[in-house]
Parts: sequence; C-alpha cells; structure tokens
Amino acid sequence: GQQVMQIPQYQHVQEGEDFTTYCNSSTTLSNIQWYKQRPGGHPVFLIQLVKSGEVKKQKRLTFQFGEAKKNSSLHITATQTTDVGTYFCADDTGRRALTFGSGTRLQVQP
Amino acid sequence: EADIYQTPRYLVIGTGKKITLECSQTMGHDKMYWYQQDPGMELHLIHYSYGVNSTEKGDLSSESTVSRIRTEHFPLTLESARPSHTSQYLCASSEANRYGYTFGSGTRLTVV
Repeated sequence: GQQVMQIPQYQHVQEGEDFTTYCNSSTTLSNIQWYKQRPGGHPVFLIQLVKSGEVKKQKRLTFQFGEAKKNSSLHITATQTTDVGTYFCADDTGRRALTFGSGTRLQVQP
Repeated sequence: EADIYQTPRYLVIGTGKKITLECSQTMGHDKMYWYQQDPGMELHLIHYSYGVNSTEKGDLSSESTVSRIRTEHFPLTLESARPSHTSQYLCASSEANRYGYTFGSGTRLTVV
C-alpha cells in the first residue's frame, strides 16, 4: 500500500533556528495536507496544497509542493517554543480517507 | 460553537470487555473517520463514513465495528478488548477535504 514517509523523525533546535520537515512518497501525491499536533493534543489542520510547485505561507511557516507532486516540505523560520509538536503531512487521494505520514517531532530549546 | 466531541476522555478496562467509544459533531459534516494513534506515532485509519448508513473499513478495522445512524454520531465498538488495543483513538470529521479534518480530543484507552 501507499506509504508517506517524513524526515527527519525528530529534530531538536534552539529557539530562533529554522526547521524543515520533508514528506516523500514513492507514488504521485494527490493533494497534500499538513497538520500540527501539540504534545498531548490532537492534530490541527494547517493547510492544503493542490498544485504542482505550489508555495503557501502562513506567517513564519512556508509550505511547498514538489514539481513532480512526489514530495512536500514545511519550513519554519526562526522557531519559537510555541512551535513544539509533531508535524504530519497527509495525502488526500479523494478516494477514501487521508493517509498520514510518519510525522516529525519538533523540540525547541528556549 | 461547532465542534467534535469524544467520550470518554480516558478509559481503563479489563481484557475481554466490550466497549463503545462515542463521537459526535455539531458541524453537519457528512464525512467522519476513526484513527488509532500510539503516542507520538502516525495515525492509522480504522473506519470511515461518507454519510448516514455508509461505513467503510480502513487498515485496522478487523477487531472493531462502527455505525452511522445519524449524521452527527459515529460510535466505535471494540467487541472484545485486548491489551494490544491500548492506544489513543481519534475521531474526525470533514465537510470537504480541502478544508481539512477537524479532530476530537481523543479517547485514551488502556486495556489491562
């Protein structure tokens, strides 16, 4: 079955440093959604990317969809302690339900 | 305020017990989903529904059942709980996928 892999699995940064997580698939992704889950919380929808090469920004967060639609990335500029959590990408094939990636856990040291 | 509610929040039960995890949403969403998630790990699809009287199996469906008699209600039943069922169960709903899923706060289940 389809697998959506994320790297790195875990990253620890100093506050103010940048952070990037990558979402990769062996098959062409349909639409990519990104979610953030705070420790002890539930996933919260951040954004959806639809078009090849699409780039969207939300304040310090930049989301990108690869030209071949086989990968996506989330970049956080100048991390803050409020960015702590696990970031998941999810593939929306439209046929059933979202297939979630393995997640990247971000820890920010003050 | 429109939202999605899961009860109970925490549950500890003995092996072999039958349990039902409740999920209700007030947003009028047709699509609802159940995912299982171990702490810090990825989400695995258990069951989903596209509307009343519509239910489909996900990847981890073999030991549970769901029903969708009303739009707002999507309960998950484990017929015979086992320690391997210890996990967090997340319910979600969506209007259309481009708006993303809204998740409930989850039920943390421990089977002893």
